[in-house]
Amino acid sequence: DAKTTQPTSMDCAEGRAANLPCNHSTISGNEYVYWYRQIHSQGPQYIIHGLKNNETNEMASLIITEDRKSSTLILPHATLRDTAVYYCIVRALYGGATNKLIFGTGTLLAVQP
Amino acid sequence: NAGVTQTPKFRVLKTGQSMTLLCAQDMNHEYMYWYRQDPGMGLRLIHYSVGEGTTAKGEVPDGYNVSRLKKQNFLLGLESAAPSQTSVYFCASSYWRGNSSYEQYFGPGTRLTVT
Repeated sequence: DAKTTQPTSMDCAEGRAANLPCNHSTISGNEYVYWYRQIHSQGPQYIIHGLKNNETNEMASLIITEDRKSSTLILPHATLRDTAVYYCIVRALYGGATNKLIFGTGTLLAVQP
Repeated sequence: NAGVTQTPKFRVLKTGQSMTLLCAQDMNHEYMYWYRQDPGMGLRLIHYSVGEGTTAKGEVPDGYNVSRLKKQNFLLGLESAAPSQTSVYFCASSYWRGNSSYEQYFGPGTRLTVT
């Protein structure tokens, strides 16, 4: 699985958009980009995933560059409850039947009032 | 649906004691996983199961055993606890689909301290 690089921490003002970057320069053509988050003391929560097209759901938007070497997770209107560690993970669709996720250390997003 | 539940939520063990952590899911998922998370680190996979009666080793399996006798349950056992096993343990489950959705659903975690 490809390695990802994320900033250690970021701040965002409440009500503003939070843009979390992720570099995955060695991503393969069959690998998807997944985002999870972990609110303090809770289990990780799935947010969104994509291959090459931009994706949006009720939680966030995912923008993947045309060369697929980087992506940005966007929380359109951050709230205090969005304070969490955000993990960017790349995973092959057909990498075997295990569905293993390789978690790095992620980005700690602190939403400020 | 309760989703993924874990029992117990907290536990303190003495070195050498044994215990079993229970994970249960009510989503009829085929795949189940056990992770551990140490302070300031991401999750690391201990063992996983792709179906009832099957188990496999993950990244850090030493010192742990698992069993999947029923599809909805995945047990993690520590036969002789060591202080290095002090951690937060998360269970997760997922289902197989022939498309790109491989999201895993996580339980709330079990905080284990070994003294």
